[in-house]
Amino acid sequence: GQQLNQSPQSMFIQEGEDVSMNCTSSSIFNTWLWYKQDPGEGPVLLIALYKAGELTSNGRLTAQFGITRKDSFLNISASIPSDVGIYFCAGRTGEGAQKLVFGQGTRLTINP
Amino acid sequence: GAGVSQTPSNKVTEKGKYVELRCDPISGHTALYWYRQSLGQGPEFLIYFQGTGAADDSGLPNDRFFAVRPEGSVSTLKIQRTERGDSAVYLCASSRTGGKDTQYFGPGTRLTVL
Repeated sequence: GQQLNQSPQSMFIQEGEDVSMNCTSSSIFNTWLWYKQDPGEGPVLLIALYKAGELTSNGRLTAQFGITRKDSFLNISASIPSDVGIYFCAGRTGEGAQKLVFGQGTRLTINP
Repeated sequence: GAGVSQTPSNKVTEKGKYVELRCDPISGHTALYWYRQSLGQGPEFLIYFQGTGAADDSGLPNDRFFAVRPEGSVSTLKIQRTERGDSAVYLCASSRTGGKDTQYFGPGTRLTVL
């Protein structure tokens, strides 16, 4: 089935540093999403991307939909302690597709 | 307003037993999804409901898994003859009408099969 390869698997950074993570696929996706999951909670949507090449920001978060439609990245600027958690990329493969395909996640740890 | 709620939050059962997991979607959301999340992995799609009908059940791993949504609101995921490999967090999500609408996730039910 479809797979999203997300990297890095984990990151250990200092508070205030910028963070970058990405997601690649062997298949074309027509929607890319980035979610954050805190312990004991379900994923929460951060950013949604719907067009190849699209660059979207949400506060300190910026994400891009790759031009080939097979990749996406998420950047977090000036990290703060509440950014700790697991970040997942997810995608939809077609206009009629409802289900989301998720990456394996990037675990972000911040040293104060 | 209230988000997606799931009960129970934790369920421990023995191999071979039957379990039911319940999802209460956001009021008025017609689309409902079940995902399964194994330890250290991202969620994996199981089944999608539009109203009362299962529009896509391609993610159900085998015929021990079944889900219903009889009145188009609450959904129940049913697992027969549980196996240790069924241990995971089962997440439910709902969206307003489906399609590109945001999927809002519940906190999940952690199922442990001993």
